[in-house]
Amino acid sequence: RKEVEQDPGPFNVPEGATVAFNCTYSNSASQSFFWYRQDCRKEPKLLMSVYSSGNEDGRFTAQLNRASQYISLLIRDSKLSDSATYLCVVFSSGTYKYIFGTGTRLKVLA
Amino acid sequence: NAGVTQTPKFRVLKTGQSMTLLCAQDMNHEYMYWYRQDPGMGLRLIHYSVGEGTTAKGEVPDGYNVSRLKKQNFLLGLESAAPSQTSVYFCASSYSTGKGPQHFGDGTRLSIL
Repeated sequence: RKEVEQDPGPFNVPEGATVAFNCTYSNSASQSFFWYRQDCRKEPKLLMSVYSSGNEDGRFTAQLNRASQYISLLIRDSKLSDSATYLCVVFSSGTYKYIFGTGTRLKVLA
Repeated sequence: NAGVTQTPKFRVLKTGQSMTLLCAQDMNHEYMYWYRQDPGMGLRLIHYSVGEGTTAKGEVPDGYNVSRLKKQNFLLGLESAAPSQTSVYFCASSYSTGKGPQHFGDGTRLSIL
């Protein structure tokens, strides 16, 4: 089992739709969580950190469920510019490393 | 705001050649990392450094060496390039490990013929 797993997609949604991605992690000692966005052939860019109480940044909402060991990303009112691959990143204190999921592709259609 | 800068952006090598990839950050970060990204796979950690003069192996270190002589620079070396090392290489830095996010350079696309 991979340490961090994501549904690769692609998720094809119309403009204005709401879409949600989940990411599961296997190490219960994981302590920090992040969502990154990666455009084709470019570097990952931090979208948002994920806090225990959940957090929101504009149209984006991140949630953490420690009991079930997953994090989620909700995108409301999808824009064409949201089309990208979304990477889930988990930091585990046991390994002192950031572990990346393989990403979920989102395509927002006009 | 330069952030994390990688040079070169592209390179084509022949099997057996050597080269060094340079990563420079101007954020005074202690931690620096080298990753490779291949199609269908997540970023995989090659080597990392927790401070000037220290380096450690990551998930896929074979065939690579690194050096961190100055806090702001992290060099990745390929002593004898192999086709399996064709990849996109990303450097990242972070203020601390785990408590904050990583900041990435824009990548080096390396092809080994």
